[in-house]
Amino acid sequence: DAKTTQPPSMDCAEGRAANLPCNHSTISGNEYVYWYRQIHSQGPQYIIHGLKNNETNEMASLIITEDRKSSTLILPHATLRDTAVYYCIVSSDYKLSFGAGTTVTVRA
Amino acid sequence: NAGVTQTPKFQVLKTGQSMTLQCAQDMNHNSMYWYRQDPGMGLRLIYYSASEGTTDKGEVPNGYNVSRLNKREFSLRLESAAPSQTSVYFCASSATGPNEKLFFGSGTQLSVL
Repeated sequence: DAKTTQPPSMDCAEGRAANLPCNHSTISGNEYVYWYRQIHSQGPQYIIHGLKNNETNEMASLIITEDRKSSTLILPHATLRDTAVYYCIVSSDYKLSFGAGTTVTVRA
Repeated sequence: NAGVTQTPKFQVLKTGQSMTLQCAQDMNHNSMYWYRQDPGMGLRLIYYSASEGTTDKGEVPNGYNVSRLNKREFSLRLESAAPSQTSVYFCASSATGPNEKLFFGSGTQLSVL
């Protein structure tokens, strides 16, 4: 599976959009981009995933560049409850590998 | 609808003891997974079961065994616990496997002294 690179941490103001970057320059054609988050020590929670096209659901939007070498997760209106570790994962099979992720702190 | 249920939530073992972590899902999912998470790190896949009757090694399988008892249940066994196995263990399930979202349990915090 392709590896991903995420910033270790970022802050965001409550009510503003949070844009979380992820680099995956070695991604192959059949690999999906997944985003999960982990709040405190709970089990990770699925957010969104995509292959080529941009995706949107009730939680977030996923923007994938045309060359697929990077992506951005957008939380449109961050709340304090969005404070969590966010994981960007690239995979084509069962073996989802969670790296260190980005610790996002939403501040009032 | 409980989702993914793990038992126990906490466990303390002495080196060399054995134990089984239990996981059950009520979503009629085909695939199930066991991960471990060490402090300050991401999750690493131990074993997975793509469907009932099959199991395969993940990234860090040494020291563990698994059993897919039926479609609902997937257990993880430590035959001879070691301090290096101190970790938080998460079970997960998905409907059909790859490219499906994973649903996680709340975790088992295991300490091996």
